[in-house]
Amino acid sequence: EVQLVESGGGLVQPGGSLRLSCAASGFTFGIYWMSWVRQAPGKGLEWVANIKEDGSEIYYVDSVKGRFTISRDNTKNSLYFQMNSLRAEDTAVYYCARLRPGTTWDYWGQGTLVTVSS
Amino acid sequence: QSALTQPPSASGSPGQSVTISCTGTSSDVGAYNYVSWYQQHPGKAPKLIIYEVSKRPSGVPDRFSGSKSGNTASLTVSGLQAEDEADYYCGSYAGSNDLGVFGTGTTVTVL
Repeated sequence: EVQLVESGGGLVQPGGSLRLSCAASGFTFGIYWMSWVRQAPGKGLEWVANIKEDGSEIYYVDSVKGRFTISRDNTKNSLYFQMNSLRAEDTAVYYCARLRPGTTWDYWGQGTLVTVSS
Repeated sequence: QSALTQPPSASGSPGQSVTISCTGTSSDVGAYNYVSWYQQHPGKAPKLIIYEVSKRPSGVPDRFSGSKSGNTASLTVSGLQAEDEADYYCGSYAGSNDLGVFGTGTTVTVL
């Protein structure tokens, strides 16, 4: 059974940092692209970042470029998201998701809430 | 990349059908057969219910069907059931540099 379990969310002040983790199991993690997708409270889904199977290609939505870093460790079946210089508008539930061809996300984690507030 | 356009809400009585539209452009929905649909219940993670316009993942009831015409894709839920009450989002591929775009979301209410 495919499982994605996020952790690391919490309350952080504006300008602060957080590191999210996503533990994958039930599939061969190292042969799939992975993504972070977020959802602000009461809002729709927003794609945030993609990383290729071997980490050689990485893409971000413009609003997080230079502040957030996606990475992975295939030996640990884990995806990470380092978030720096956090802003109030980054407040959201962050989901890790497995990315399939055609920009289709076929499995999602349960999400972890990041709240940026003073 | 702009969000795909969906109606904010749709509704139907149990047993009826409801259809949700997802309007893009000739660069995304109209260009590729890579439209996907996601169901999200309150407080839960999204779940893939349709991919490649009309394919259903294993375990998704055949009450859910997808189609596309030009720049607009559609999701039809037939034989509405109470558990179909949820938010629905579409998504589309937009080329090799596509970085991911979702629709604006539609809340389906079962009357």
